[in-house]
This record gives sequence, C-alpha cells and structure tokens, in this order.
Amino acid sequence: NAGVTQTPKFRVLKTGQSMTLLCAQDMNHEYMYWYRQDPGMGLRLIHYSVGEGTTAKGEVPDGYNVSRLKKQNFLLGLESAAPSQTSVYFCASMDRLNQPQHFGDGTRLSIL
Amino acid sequence: ELKVEQNPLFLSMQEGKNYTIYCNYSTTSDRLYWYRQDPGKSLESLFVLLSNGAVKQEGRLMASLDTKARLSTLHITAAVHDLSATYFCAVDGLTSGSRLTFGEGTQLTVNP
Repeated sequence: NAGVTQTPKFRVLKTGQSMTLLCAQDMNHEYMYWYRQDPGMGLRLIHYSVGEGTTAKGEVPDGYNVSRLKKQNFLLGLESAAPSQTSVYFCASMDRLNQPQHFGDGTRLSIL
Repeated sequence: ELKVEQNPLFLSMQEGKNYTIYCNYSTTSDRLYWYRQDPGKSLESLFVLLSNGAVKQEGRLMASLDTKARLSTLHITAAVHDLSATYFCAVDGLTSGSRLTFGEGTQLTVNP
C-alpha cells in the first residue's frame, strides 16, 4: 500500500524555469492538498481540491497552479520559479471530513 | 483569519520527565489534529480531536481539546528518547475543503 507518493523527491531549478510536482494517492481519497514547509513557519496551504476536476486557492497560492484531472493525481506547477519558492513541498490526501490528512514524503525544491 | 500558536517552540527535557505542549487558536473550531514529524521525514497523524472535552491517549502521549478556551494540550508522560521529534497542531477552520491551519511546531528533544 503506497499511500501518498510524491515525485520527484529532490530538484534544483534555476530562476525562471518551470516544473511540475506530481502527487499520486492510491486510497481513493476525495480531498487533496499541497503545502509548503519553511523553517519556523509550519506548513502553509498552497492549493487544495475537494474532488476530481476541482481546485481552489489556499493561503499562499501566488506563483503556483494546480490541476486534478484524475481523482488519484494532484499536480502542482511552478510557471516561473523564483528563489522565494525554495522550500519543502508536501502533498496530502484525506478520505472525508473529520479524518486526518495523509502526507507524502515531501519534495525538496531549491531554486538558484 | 485563523491563527494557531504553539508553545513552547523548542523543548529540551530529560527522560522520565513530564511536560505539556500548548496549542492556542483564534477562531471557533471543534476539529483539531496533532501530527508528529521526524527530521527530514513526512508528517504522521497522532490524534484527531472532534469535540469539546475530547481526550485521546496513545502510549506516553495524551491530547485534549477545550473549544471554549480554544486550547489543545499534548501531554508527555515519562518521556523517552524515541519521542524526540517536532509536534504540530493543526486546526480545521470549518471552511470549504476542511482546510487546516498549522502551528509553527514544537521541536522536542529528550535527553538521556
């Protein structure tokens, strides 16, 4: 049982480059989330989805886009990477309300 | 805007001692979650608290929720080294998507 899988695990980008982070879950969960974790700031929600084909903005959405074309996948895109987007990105999924979110192992992204 | 504050942010304690981590939040909610994160790892769900007065216990950890005071506590009993980790509380602001707002985390070190 893989749970929540994030790809890639590490990446280094140059300023202005674009990339997509992939999150895949095999638990048939409805809800999916993208967070970033920076030192001393806990986790902050970037975007989320309440079901296939839906997306919504979280607390810090600027500079990111998302898509959820299939229920099991939630993609996070950086159109033009900036050094301020250097962070650890976590994806999470949740079955239904009042259940805990299940987290992936994270993607460590550095932008030079 | 929901704000979640944890204290202390750093905690160094001896094995065998007891201590409490506090999580205060700023708006009405009766859904609170505790997570554990080991260095460089993902987040692991510890407790789900869904009502005023809720108390959950697992091993040496006990969590409680007082929705009137907007306060949750994570009590550690007779700490052992294996409990060394960062502990996060997260509050569901009862908005669309069951979005969580995380505290900054409490970095716990248990010394022999």
